[in-house]
Amino acid sequence: SQQGEEDPQALSIQEGENATMNCSYKTSINNLQWYRQNSGRGLVHLILIRSNEREKHSGRLRVTLDTSKKSSSLLITASRAADTASYFCATVRKDSNYQLIWGAGTKLIIKP
Amino acid sequence: DTAVSQTPKYLVTQMGNDKSIKCEQNLGHDTMYWYKQDSKKFLKIMFSYNNKELIINETVPNRFSPKSPDKAHLNLHINSLELGDSAVYFCASSRQVSTDTQYFGPGTRLTVL
Repeated sequence: SQQGEEDPQALSIQEGENATMNCSYKTSINNLQWYRQNSGRGLVHLILIRSNEREKHSGRLRVTLDTSKKSSSLLITASRAADTASYFCATVRKDSNYQLIWGAGTKLIIKP
Repeated sequence: DTAVSQTPKYLVTQMGNDKSIKCEQNLGHDTMYWYKQDSKKFLKIMFSYNNKELIINETVPNRFSPKSPDKAHLNLHINSLELGDSAVYFCASSRQVSTDTQYFGPGTRLTVL
């Protein structure tokens, strides 16, 4: 069953602007992961944030987690054309045999 | 030095045929997965194997049968293909079960005519 739900479904911004994508989920989680999928390719892991963490950074990426609101956000700063891709959040629920539950993704387009 | 590889990349076949997709990982991971991604990009887990043993078997038709000859390989065999089986199938692996980062293969685009 679908757990993570990303919004917006699609986002189009100018190169150099910041892009923010959100993910909401329904049940208690062990961790939340963000992945990127370029068109026609497999998914690539970006960041894993555990339920006891609130914020993580990796290069131009910043992920926050608010377990009280059951939501996470992915911020990409100073976006580049190469950031054009679909971004997925996936949650590991504590009661799900630890399988990843995926959202439908946010399609991000960076206009040059 | 590809981490997770799948073959074939594209597969076009007629309804009713039987086909297989192969997956291999050279990361030394214990756990491997098969996912199906539909046309709306929604990713759904199908199977998961840990050390060659099935640990996740979601509600998929029994026409789909995974086979893990060893820890580095997880193949997917599909019998009596149907139009609705058309999708992109991804293999993935992780060091342990899903609490870890998963590494994905490039995908196999299956088209059933």
